[in-house]
Amino acid sequence: GAVVSQHPSWVICKSGTSVKIECRSLDFQATTMFWYRQFPKQSLMLMATSNEGSKATYEQGVEKDKFLINHASLTLSTLTVTSAHPEDSSFYICSARDASTQGGTKDEQFFGPGTRLTVL
Amino acid sequence: DAKTTQPNSMESNEEEPVHLPCNHSTISGTDYIHWYRQLPSQGPEYVIHGLTSNVNNRMASLAIAEDRKSSTLILHRATLRDAAVYYCILYYTDKLIFGTGTRLQVFP
Repeated sequence: GAVVSQHPSWVICKSGTSVKIECRSLDFQATTMFWYRQFPKQSLMLMATSNEGSKATYEQGVEKDKFLINHASLTLSTLTVTSAHPEDSSFYICSARDASTQGGTKDEQFFGPGTRLTVL
Repeated sequence: DAKTTQPNSMESNEEEPVHLPCNHSTISGTDYIHWYRQLPSQGPEYVIHGLTSNVNNRMASLAIAEDRKSSTLILHRATLRDAAVYYCILYYTDKLIFGTGTRLQVFP
């Protein structure tokens, strides 16, 4: 099956610093990637949709200036949490849609293993 | 967004079949029904999806009601590795919107 990787798998940072999380599709091209966050014991919450070569579309209530998303290639999207604070501590998960099946009956999303962010 | 309703939790014994229900009474004609599962501390994993007809794959079967207002994910023989949170999702405008899901416990 298609593989999506995330780096780092976990990160601890001080309050006020910025953290970048990478999401890569390893064996397929992804014109669309998604970023989610998940707090303990809760479901995944969609933060934004990232389209290659264009600006990300953010869900209501998600601060675009705080969560910077870049999707510069068909295999890489990055999420930067700027000026992180303890309330940003969460499990961040990306997913990617295979461009070759996007929009068809085989359309599915492949998820990365997640990045656990802890802000002290 | 189209919504789904699932029981918060279910239990099963190993080797037994498991039927995980999902209600989606507001489903539109073009919504696909997707199922994903999430093991602890991992990203979600695709299980199966369908539109109108029942579907089978190596992981599970998906039974869709004739009026499409409900569906059931069937694990034919539960194993300990199937313990996870199972999400039933209506594929809406290309976005997967996760509900609360069903936490499946499997006992040896």
